[in-house]
Amino acid sequence: EADIYQTPRYLVIGTGKKITLECSQTMGHDKMYWYQQDPGMELHLIHYSYGVNSTEKGDLSSESTVSRIRTEHFPLTLESARPSHTSQYLCASSESWTGGDYGYTFGSGTRLTVV
Amino acid sequence: DAKTTQPTSMDCAEGRAANLPCNHSTISGNEYVYWYRQIHSQGPQYIIHGLKNNETNEKASLIITEDRKSSTLILPHATLRDTAVYYCIVRALYNQAGTALIFGKGTTLSVSS
Repeated sequence: EADIYQTPRYLVIGTGKKITLECSQTMGHDKMYWYQQDPGMELHLIHYSYGVNSTEKGDLSSESTVSRIRTEHFPLTLESARPSHTSQYLCASSESWTGGDYGYTFGSGTRLTVV
Repeated sequence: DAKTTQPTSMDCAEGRAANLPCNHSTISGNEYVYWYRQIHSQGPQYIIHGLKNNETNEKASLIITEDRKSSTLILPHATLRDTAVYYCIVRALYNQAGTALIFGKGTTLSVSS
């Protein structure tokens, strides 16, 4: 039973469109994260948040932006999608920075294809 | 930042123990070792973590050497469902606000019957 939900699961969209990837968690976690992963490649941290109205960029530069208006919600937005944004985007949350006793909980991901 | 070195791939027979090594020679004294796995393209799953002592839970055991420069994740009785990419993480991204785990390339474990 998933406690972190990502929608849509798959998205195919044209170049130049604005898109928002949704991520919600029901665990009350303050810490949330976005990772980007190309097929067969490693995960790259692109954004993270330590609470409402507090966000930081990760170690991989990304043209996406994030917001954290509510504890449970951490959407990711691309203002103008390009084919180079084609990738899988994974959202995660945790009760502490290092994961605590249960680690990071990941969603099922959104597979984005920009044509 | 501490970095990890893992073999690219490993094979294991079903029912046998899978021992996945990880080198982290530059680990700091207060950095933990974390293990996650990712099955196909699903989101990674937390397995176990430790600082100095060996750790065991219902999923696996973690053996950390006394000098903390390397560790081994042990899956005692591997099954086909354990086929996955296994990530050893000791690096965290630090800034004034906090820290987040950084994933490397991992080891692809293939369990066969």
